[in-house]
Amino acid sequence: AQSVTQPDIHITVSEGASLELRCNYSYGATPYLFWYVQSPGQGLQLLLKYFSGDTLVQGIKGFEAEFKRSQSSFNLRKPSVHWSDAAEYFCAVGAVTGRRALTFGSGTRLQVQP
Amino acid sequence: GAGVSQTPSNKVTEKGKYVELRCDPISGHTALYWYRQSLGQGPEFLIYFQGTGAADDSGLPNDRFFAVRPEGSVSTLKIQRTERGDSAVYLCASSSGGQGGGETQYFGPGTRLLVL
Repeated sequence: AQSVTQPDIHITVSEGASLELRCNYSYGATPYLFWYVQSPGQGLQLLLKYFSGDTLVQGIKGFEAEFKRSQSSFNLRKPSVHWSDAAEYFCAVGAVTGRRALTFGSGTRLQVQP
Repeated sequence: GAGVSQTPSNKVTEKGKYVELRCDPISGHTALYWYRQSLGQGPEFLIYFQGTGAADDSGLPNDRFFAVRPEGSVSTLKIQRTERGDSAVYLCASSSGGQGGGETQYFGPGTRLLVL
């Protein structure tokens, strides 16, 4: 069965600082990988996704993520955080064959200090 | 509308009552998903529709939960004999349905259910 681990429950960074959110997955092969962001009262919004090919994926709002097969990781990064980035971030894995449902991690809450 | 909509946005009910939660997907999307998000957790899959049929209902926790999508568009999640443990945010998502597990799922804002 597939699973996702986000080891950091809560992260605080200063505005303008760089950010890295960790995600590790368990899956029998290379899965589809996603990062979603959830702001209070809002639905989940897709930041980026990885299917195959280039392991560095660019997303919206200046985010990027790198797939590392050897580490079963898909960490999310941003070089300079803005106050509006404060939200909950979820990593998710999708199966390449069979099941269509996404499996989500438990999320990382990002707080941005002025 | 442009996105996935869900009604009501909030629902308060008493233990033992029946509730219905509605999801209106993006127009033309054939795939529809229901997830449940408990406090401090990520969304957990409940059921997936392709068209009118439930293609995967393996995430439904028990037979008190049921969902329908009779015309292949709007879906209703039905919970019978609600329990306090059913309190959560119920999320609906839709996707185009043509690309398998990798296609983007677009989420609605959710229905926050509180069972007293």
